Formats: sequence, C-alpha cells, structure tokens
Amino acid sequence: EADIYQTPRYLVIGTGKKITLECSQTMGHDKMYWYQQDPGMELHLIHYSYGVNSTEKGDLSSESTVSRIRTEHFPLTLESARPSHTSQYLCASSGITGLQETQYFGPGTRLLVL
Amino acid sequence: AQKITQTQPGMFVQEKEAVTLDCTYDTSDQSYGLFWYKQPSSGEMIFLIYQGSYDEQNATEGRYSLNFQKARKSANLVISASQLGDSAMYFCAMRGIYSGAGSYQLTFGKGTKLSVIP
Repeated sequence: EADIYQTPRYLVIGTGKKITLECSQTMGHDKMYWYQQDPGMELHLIHYSYGVNSTEKGDLSSESTVSRIRTEHFPLTLESARPSHTSQYLCASSGITGLQETQYFGPGTRLLVL
Repeated sequence: AQKITQTQPGMFVQEKEAVTLDCTYDTSDQSYGLFWYKQPSSGEMIFLIYQGSYDEQNATEGRYSLNFQKARKSANLVISASQLGDSAMYFCAMRGIYSGAGSYQLTFGKGTKLSVIP
C-alpha cells in the first residue's frame, strides 16, 4: 500500500494569491495523478504524470499547472487563485498490487478561495 | 468513452445487516478493471476491492465482495455485517484509456452515500 502525503490539508486564501499544493509518495511509484472533487460529487482527473519530467492534462480543464522533477514529488500550482477554484484536490499514485495496477490516494487538500 | 453509473445517491442499512451498492458501466474496451473506493467524511479515498474483466470469480476482500455480472455490465459492491464505521461515500470507478507507459485513467461514478444505523 502506498503512503501518499498532501499538504496543507486545509487552505483558505484570498483571490489572486499564488498557491502550491504539495503531494509526495514514498513507494517509488512512477505514475501520479491529481483529481478535483467538488463536495458530494465525482472525481475528475486534471493532471497526471508517467514519471520524472512527464506531465499531461486530464479530462477536466484546469488553470493549474504541475511539475515532476523528482519521482516522489508532484506539486500542483495555481498562479492566481479564484473563488471558482474552491474544491477538494486529491493526489494519487499507482503501482502494481497482485495482478492489477491500483491508484492510492492521499488525504486531500480542501481549498477555499475567498 | 467509459461511463460509470451509480443510481443510488443515498442508502441506509441497519448495523450488522448486509447492503448492496449498485454500479453499472459502459465501455467498448475488451479489457478493463473495476474498482470500489470508500471516502469517509475526512476526505481521503480508500481502495476497497478490484475486479478485472477477465476474472472468472467475483472478487472478495474481507467483508467486501463484488457481484460482477459482465453481460449486464454491472459491478455491485456487497458489504456484509455493516458496521458504524462503514458510513461513508462509496465510489465505483473504471480503468479508462490505456495510454502509454502502462498508465491508465480512472473514470468515477457520482457515488453513493451509505449511512449505517445503530
């Protein structure tokens, strides 16, 4: 089972601020993901990475950007936060368990932009 | 494109009883995987169980079992002997596009909120 860490867990910030949501995993997984989830709704993939120096956009358009300079680290950045960015952001990484590849999630960051 | 449908926004179950959470899916892929995750109010997503499309037997993990009916494209989660700690959102997910370097994307349903009554 993967150990995935996200900081901060909760963030309240004003419009226009730059923020970075941190995500780290200790299992050496090559693949990592960022999902956005509004309260009571399904998860939508916004970014993913196959490995170091690899980043791709997901199904849901997002104004955020990501980087993957180290295998264990996959931070997400919003250059100028807006109230529409208020949501929960979940980071995941995937590795082989048994015969299947399973995504394991971090605890999430709940973002509120005022 | 893959699609997951969970038709039960909310479910109630008496403690110690069994409950079935419905999930139907749509895909044109021959090979796919189905996952169930639990999301407590604290927000993290906890992996519960996996079923591969070519698995002949239904998956089981402790009190969780997956009732996989391939012809009907359904993958219902059965929780036996419900406990108060089972109260949470439950999401069904499907392995999506297999895109390079062994990666894949998950498509999630809208979830079912399960409440266990003492």
